[in-house]
Amino acid sequence: GIQVEQSPPDLILQEGANSTLRCNFSDSVNNLQWFHQNPWGQLINLFYIPSGTKQNGRLSATTVATERYSLLYISSSQTTDSGVYFCAGNTGNQFYFGTGTSLTVIP
Amino acid sequence: GAGVSQTPSNKVTEKGKYVELRCDPISGHTALYWYRQSLGQGPEFLIYFQGTGAADDSGLPNDRFFAVRPEGSVSTLKIQRTERGDSAVYLCASSVEETQYFGPGTRLLVL
Repeated sequence: GIQVEQSPPDLILQEGANSTLRCNFSDSVNNLQWFHQNPWGQLINLFYIPSGTKQNGRLSATTVATERYSLLYISSSQTTDSGVYFCAGNTGNQFYFGTGTSLTVIP
Repeated sequence: GAGVSQTPSNKVTEKGKYVELRCDPISGHTALYWYRQSLGQGPEFLIYFQGTGAADDSGLPNDRFFAVRPEGSVSTLKIQRTERGDSAVYLCASSVEETQYFGPGTRLLVL
């Protein structure tokens, strides 16, 4: 199966700081998505981004499909951004998730 | 509108028992996925439905696991002869145009 590496595994930020999370795939995937899992376990879809760049408020994402990686940018972080960020992509019907980046934003 | 719902939210059972986990997808979503998430890991694919049929069940770990979606809406994940290693959060997601929407999960603990 596809291996998905996410970096960094853990990140602690002061409120207001910016950060970049990275996701590398061992092979080409389709339908790349980024998710945020809040401290209560709920997974929320942030971006559907198979290629190119998208922005949504303080968050933006860029996928370079030819190089099999994606980046998630968080600007002006807030305590509510805390949680685990996952990227995922599929080959065929099977989606592969990374092990996540655990983000803690401290006030 | 209503999101994906899963019941029960928590389930404690004894080794060897049978359990059923239910998923109600978003209305109109034809694609439905089941995942299993262990502590500190990302969700692990179990099975994918398109409509009523299991289009891909390659992620089911063994024949103790089975899932159905008889009317193309609600799905039930069934686990027979539960083992302690089955303890995890079981997540359901429904999808439209490839974007997945997850339910809150069922936390299964096998004692």
